[in-house]
Amino acid sequence: ELKVEQNPLFLSMQEGKNYTIYCNYSTTSDRLYWYRQDPGKSLESLFVLLSNGAVKQEGRLMASLDTKARLSTLHITAAVHDLSATYFCAVDMEETSGSRLTFGEGTQLTVNP
Amino acid sequence: DAGVTQSPTHLIKTRGQQVTLRCSPKSGHDTVSWYQQALGQGPQFIFQYYEEEERQRGNFPDRFSGHQFPNYSSELNVNALLLGDSALYLCASSYLGGNTEAFFGQGTRLTVV
Repeated sequence: ELKVEQNPLFLSMQEGKNYTIYCNYSTTSDRLYWYRQDPGKSLESLFVLLSNGAVKQEGRLMASLDTKARLSTLHITAAVHDLSATYFCAVDMEETSGSRLTFGEGTQLTVNP
Repeated sequence: DAGVTQSPTHLIKTRGQQVTLRCSPKSGHDTVSWYQQALGQGPQFIFQYYEEEERQRGNFPDRFSGHQFPNYSSELNVNALLLGDSALYLCASSYLGGNTEAFFGQGTRLTVV
């Protein structure tokens, strides 16, 4: 059974600081996704990582994937309050993309002024 | 393109009742997956429909059933509702034959009282 573990589960940080969220998974997969979820809302796609060594950046967020270590990271640079949300990583179990996602528990990020 | 649309957005049902949730996939997508997200947790895969048949199923009881129509839209039915079925139900659509990500709808918030 595929397991996806995120840490930390709760993260409180000050504006302007940097931090990294980690996502470990237990089986071979070349596809990993990061989502953002605001309270009461659906999932917003942030990054799709489709190969070992993939690195993607958007604004203050950068995601990377190491399939050999079965590890993905989401790095936050110079955090701002608008980044406060819950972040999920999800691993695709199937050979065809987007078929069956297993999610981590989520990291609840709070950015304080 | 309207993206993935779900209806209704909110629903309150009584324990023991039955409920039907609906999902229209993104244009060009042929696969619909359903997820249950309990409060404070990551989404959990319920099942997936492709070519009007259930293609995969997660660890959910038979009270959860579904259907896919020729136009690729889908329904999720839950019978004999329990208080524990209260959750955000998310629909995701994807294209099975391509290397694309799944897109999520805005979700249906089900409350069982």
